[in-house]
Amino acid sequence: SQTIHQWPATLVQPVGSPLSLECTVEGTSNPNLYWYRQAAGRGLQLLFYSVGIGQISSEVPQNLSASRPQDRQFILSSKKLLLSDSGFYLCAWRATGRTSYEQYFGPGTRLTVT
Amino acid sequence: GIQVEQSPPDLILQEGANSTLRCNFSDSVNNLQWFHQNPWGQLINLFYIPSGTKQNGRLSATTVATERYSLLYISSSQTTDSGVYFCAVGYSSASKIIFGSGTRLSIRP
Repeated sequence: SQTIHQWPATLVQPVGSPLSLECTVEGTSNPNLYWYRQAAGRGLQLLFYSVGIGQISSEVPQNLSASRPQDRQFILSSKKLLLSDSGFYLCAWRATGRTSYEQYFGPGTRLTVT
Repeated sequence: GIQVEQSPPDLILQEGANSTLRCNFSDSVNNLQWFHQNPWGQLINLFYIPSGTKQNGRLSATTVATERYSLLYISSSQTTDSGVYFCAVGYSSASKIIFGSGTRLSIRP
């Protein structure tokens, strides 16, 4: 069966510091991968998605970037964090080449920028 | 782009009550999911239901794609049903789905 991991689970970082969040998927090949952000008490905002290694689509101009160095690894980064980057970051995956287009989510990383 | 509206935004019920959550969308879609976000933030897949009706225990869902809405039914609510329920829609040919703003459900003992 498929499993999705995210780390760290929680993170407190000062303004201006760098960021690296990692997401890995097990049990599937060539998945679509997604990064979402959820502000407190709000809905989910799609940040980036990837349909293959090195292929990144950005949905919202911002202080963040994403990379996919391996088939089942998706990384969210920032060079200098802003207070507005605080939130709950969720990674998701979706199988390709099937009739079901269901997305599955990881446990999330709660980021607080101080 | 597709617009997704969920109603009601908030719902407070006593344990044992039944509830109906609605998701309206602005375009013909062939990809629709219902999620439950628990108090720890985990998004749990409830239904993948681009059309028709499905049931899983006390939960069931119906999507009428031609009329652009989906309904989530929760019967005999339990306190563990509390949380935020999201619907998300998209096109199967596209890589992404669009989330509604959610319904926050609070079940009181």
